[in-house]
Amino acid sequence: SQQGEEDPQALSIQEGENATMNCSYKTSINNLQWYRQNSGRGLVHLILIRSNEREKHSGRLRVTLDTSKKSSSLLITASRAADTASYFCASRSGSARQLTFGSGTQLTVLP
Amino acid sequence: DTGVSQNPRHKITKRGQNVTFRCDPISEHNRLYWYRQTLGQGPEFLTYFQNEAQLEKSRLLSDRFSAERPKGSFSTLEIQRTEQGDSAMYLCASRGGEETTDTQYFGPGTRLTVL
Repeated sequence: SQQGEEDPQALSIQEGENATMNCSYKTSINNLQWYRQNSGRGLVHLILIRSNEREKHSGRLRVTLDTSKKSSSLLITASRAADTASYFCASRSGSARQLTFGSGTQLTVLP
Repeated sequence: DTGVSQNPRHKITKRGQNVTFRCDPISEHNRLYWYRQTLGQGPEFLTYFQNEAQLEKSRLLSDRFSAERPKGSFSTLEIQRTEQGDSAMYLCASRGGEETTDTQYFGPGTRLTVL
């Protein structure tokens, strides 16, 4: 079963604009990760934020985590056409060994 | 390219046939995961290996599914008597043993179509 939901399900923006995706989860987590998936391909890890962190940056990516609201957001600044992909949040809870993924946001960046 | 490879990339089979997929993880990674992903959804966990030991299996893994990792290196996932509902992308991921990192490295997946 999916750990949580992502919002929006689909997002279309112009190149150069910022894209914000949100993720909500259900149970307490050890960390939360974001992955990108190009159409028909495997997932690529983007960034990991631990449960005791509130914000993290990596290049054009900014992730926030609010454990009180059980939510996270991924901001991609100055988007490019190459950012077009599906973005998934994933979390690991307690002693679970596997990641539990959200349902994903399909981002389309128009040139 | 994450360093995890999967073969075949695509498999088309008829209902009732058996299929086997292979995953070659990053060589120094002792942890290996299988996930299944259907269209428009996130990956769902199937099973987990640490070295050659299969330590966890999801309820999604019916008795028609079996996975092995005989020497703690590559892994195979076999589906017997395939059904149309088995059509999905099957993803393999690996991870090192360090507790300080939780990042999983995914292969390109095997897309299964059951006719």
